[in-house]
Amino acid sequence: EAQVTQNPRYLITVTGKKLTVTCSQNMNHEYMSWYRQDPGLGLRQIYYSMNVEVTDKGDVPEGYKVSRKEKRNFPLILESPSPNQTSLYFCASKARSSGSDIQYFGAGTRLSVL
Amino acid sequence: GENVEQHPSTLSVQEGDSAVIKCTYSDSASNYFPWYKQELGKRPQLIIDIRSNVGEKKDQRIAVTLNKTAKHFSLHITETQPEDSAVYFCAASIGNTDKLIFGTGTRLQVFP
Repeated sequence: EAQVTQNPRYLITVTGKKLTVTCSQNMNHEYMSWYRQDPGLGLRQIYYSMNVEVTDKGDVPEGYKVSRKEKRNFPLILESPSPNQTSLYFCASKARSSGSDIQYFGAGTRLSVL
Repeated sequence: GENVEQHPSTLSVQEGDSAVIKCTYSDSASNYFPWYKQELGKRPQLIIDIRSNVGEKKDQRIAVTLNKTAKHFSLHITETQPEDSAVYFCAASIGNTDKLIFGTGTRLQVFP
């Protein structure tokens, strides 16, 4: 089954404790992206990657890091989480070469930073 | 930077009525406009999309219209049903890139 898998689904942590949210897709998609969703603000892009070893900042990259060492994985790293990073996070992927524009989303990770 | 404005933020309709959600985009080079539906606690899922070379697209009870001159596009849902209740997001591509800018969402409630 074609899917985007995020882990964990729920996470409660404390300020300053490094964490990683994993994202994996099995559709051989080149493009992967991280969004955060906050009430009244919609989905805002944090970082994106157009292929292995190619990453770039989105609209709200401060406080986040990413890496793309393999095509299928695109982890989101919070080196020193702060309460303003409490949010719902979505990973998404899409193909770049098939002519399809559809972005497929993971199930989401709800993060609370105390 | 580029942005997408979406209205209304909430919309309540009676079952069987129509619902219309409108979005305006700023990037005149945008060429791809998807609509996503997000049910409570679920991930956003694509329900319909349109490219800039088409003015209208329909899929059963849902349709999207695009006015490139005015830089706005709309989602139309006819014969609404309670299961249409969800948050709907519009989005526009940044030029011809893979990047999408999302609207802030519309919470649609369909009352039986």
